[in-house]
Amino acid sequence: SQTIHQWPATLVQPVGSPLSLECTVEGTSNPNLYWYRQAAGRGLQLLFYSVGIGQISSEVPQNLSASRPQDRQFILSSKKLLLSDSGFYLCAWIRATGELFFGEGSRLTVL
Amino acid sequence: EDQVTQSPEALRLQEGESSSLNCSYTVSGLRGLFWYRQDPGKGPEFLFTLYSAGEEKEKERLKATLTKKESFLHITAPKPEDSATYLCAVSDSWGKLQFGAGTQVVVTP
Repeated sequence: SQTIHQWPATLVQPVGSPLSLECTVEGTSNPNLYWYRQAAGRGLQLLFYSVGIGQISSEVPQNLSASRPQDRQFILSSKKLLLSDSGFYLCAWIRATGELFFGEGSRLTVL
Repeated sequence: EDQVTQSPEALRLQEGESSSLNCSYTVSGLRGLFWYRQDPGKGPEFLFTLYSAGEEKEKERLKATLTKKESFLHITAPKPEDSATYLCAVSDSWGKLQFGAGTQVVVTP
């Protein structure tokens, strides 16, 4: 069966520091992968998606970037964090029938 | 532009008190409507997919229905373990997903 892992689960970082959040998927090959951010009381906002190695599409211009160095690995990064980057970050992959399956999420607090 | 609105924002129920959550949407070419359950600090957990008006899906105490403009998630005789935030999302003709802000449900014993 397919599983999706995210780490770290919780992160507290100072403003201006770098960021790296990792996501790996098991049990499937060539998945379409997504990064979402969830702010309190708001819907999930799509940040990036990838249909294959090295291919990244950005949905919202921002302080973040994404990379896909391997088929089942998706990384969310920033060179210098802002206070507004705080939030709950979710990685997901999509089935052929359209359902997204999410990881456990990474809670980022920028101080 | 695709839009998904969920109501109410929050719902407090007594154990056994049935109720419904609403998800109204505007989308160009609906490919699917999805319901998710999210527990605090966790990723959303997939519940149902509905594809066409008139379709219904059930799972334990949950039943989802779909019309051309909205979907309902009915919770029958809820238990405290049904407490969670319920998210609705729609997929348009391009396969793009748009999420609602969710309904937070609290079921008290």
